[in-house]
Amino acid sequence: GAVVSQHPSRVICKSGTSVKIECRSLDFQATTMFWYRQFPKQSLMLMATSNEGSKATYEQGVEKDKFLINHASLTLSTLTVTSAHPEDSSFYICSAAGGLNTGELFFGEGSRLTVL
Amino acid sequence: QKEVEQNSGPLSVPEGAIASLNCTYSDRGSQSFFWYRQYSGKSPELIMFIYSNGDKEDGRFTAQLNKASQYVSLLIRDSQPSDSATYLCAVNLFAGGGADGLTFGKGTHLIIQP
Repeated sequence: GAVVSQHPSRVICKSGTSVKIECRSLDFQATTMFWYRQFPKQSLMLMATSNEGSKATYEQGVEKDKFLINHASLTLSTLTVTSAHPEDSSFYICSAAGGLNTGELFFGEGSRLTVL
Repeated sequence: QKEVEQNSGPLSVPEGAIASLNCTYSDRGSQSFFWYRQYSGKSPELIMFIYSNGDKEDGRFTAQLNKASQYVSLLIRDSQPSDSATYLCAVNLFAGGGADGLTFGKGTHLIIQP
């Protein structure tokens, strides 16, 4: 299947700083990538849909000025958590639709963010 | 509001038995249905997907879909301890995918007892 790589896998930062997470599709081009967030013992919640060359579409309740998404190329989307606070500590996972257009999503390894 | 409902469990099943995981969804227009397995601290991995009513078998796994009842299930035969994980049901409005992210249930925590 298609491979999606996410970096970093773990990051610890101080409150008030910004953190960037990268998501790359390694063997296919992804015009659309999705960013999910998962709190402990909770399901994955879609945060935003990242579209190559255009603005991201954010889900209701997700602050677009806090979670900056850039999809500058067909293989790279980035999520920047700006002015991070402890409540932003979570598991962030990116995904992309497979090249076969089956509706299946291929997930990155996830990024565990801890804000002190 | 799209909703996907699962019993959070834990569901405890003896090794070698059949584990049955259930999921209901609210959007009647949903077209594609997925079961993902997620180990603690890891990202989800696809187990099976199903688009049409009926059963779909892949090895020890069988997905069952009933669109009229808005119900999808996953059966795991000959359960192994390595099957212990959280199983996420996911639904997509589009059969072709890509245009819409998946909506996930909260997952069912499955424990296979040796």
